[in-house]
Amino acid sequence: EPEVTQTPSHQVTQMGQEVILRCVPISNHLYFYWYRQILGQKVEFLVSFYNNEISEKSEIFDDQFSVERPDGSNFTLKIRSTKLEDSAMYFCASTLGGANFQPQHFGDGTRLSIL
Amino acid sequence: AQTVTQSQPEMSVQEAETVTLSCTYDTSESDYYLFWYKQPPSRQMILVIRQEAYKQQNATENRFSVNFQKAAKSFSLKISDSQLGDAAMYFCALLIQGAQKLVFGQGTRLTINP
Repeated sequence: EPEVTQTPSHQVTQMGQEVILRCVPISNHLYFYWYRQILGQKVEFLVSFYNNEISEKSEIFDDQFSVERPDGSNFTLKIRSTKLEDSAMYFCASTLGGANFQPQHFGDGTRLSIL
Repeated sequence: AQTVTQSQPEMSVQEAETVTLSCTYDTSESDYYLFWYKQPPSRQMILVIRQEAYKQQNATENRFSVNFQKAAKSFSLKISDSQLGDAAMYFCALLIQGAQKLVFGQGTRLTINP
């Protein structure tokens, strides 16, 4: 069964550095998402992306964050000038979309540790 | 705003027994979907079961079933004949019709005792 894949599984970065988290959504899916989960807290929505543009974003998703689909397969989340509080598990998800409801499929996540 | 609450941080059950995980939610919308996702240790979240709000019949998927009480805004998950492979973090989630984002509960860690 097709899966959403995320790389790396664990990223350690110095505070203030930029980090790029990568995701390969399921190939025929059209809607892409990033969520994050700070340790011990809820999974929180960050952003959704469709047709090469952001379709919805949360309050968390400020100017520090950006998303991109640089080619036909990858979907990336860039965090500029990382802060200690950016340490979290980041999940990518994708869905086919369309008139009939389709569930979101999640990747394994990238654990981001900011030192 | 929508909220999802899971009041049981941890649950445990004996293998082959039945366990029920609780979830309550709040929304003013009438069209929405509810989900239970399972996250085994160091693995991706997998959709276990979903319920459309307009359906009165409770969803079932093999050993997994839900008790959907729309008026009470309650959506519990029942796992029958628990197996060791059911051990995981379970998340309840809400999606408003036409919206993009899933709203998650805090999660319940389920342990299966052999």
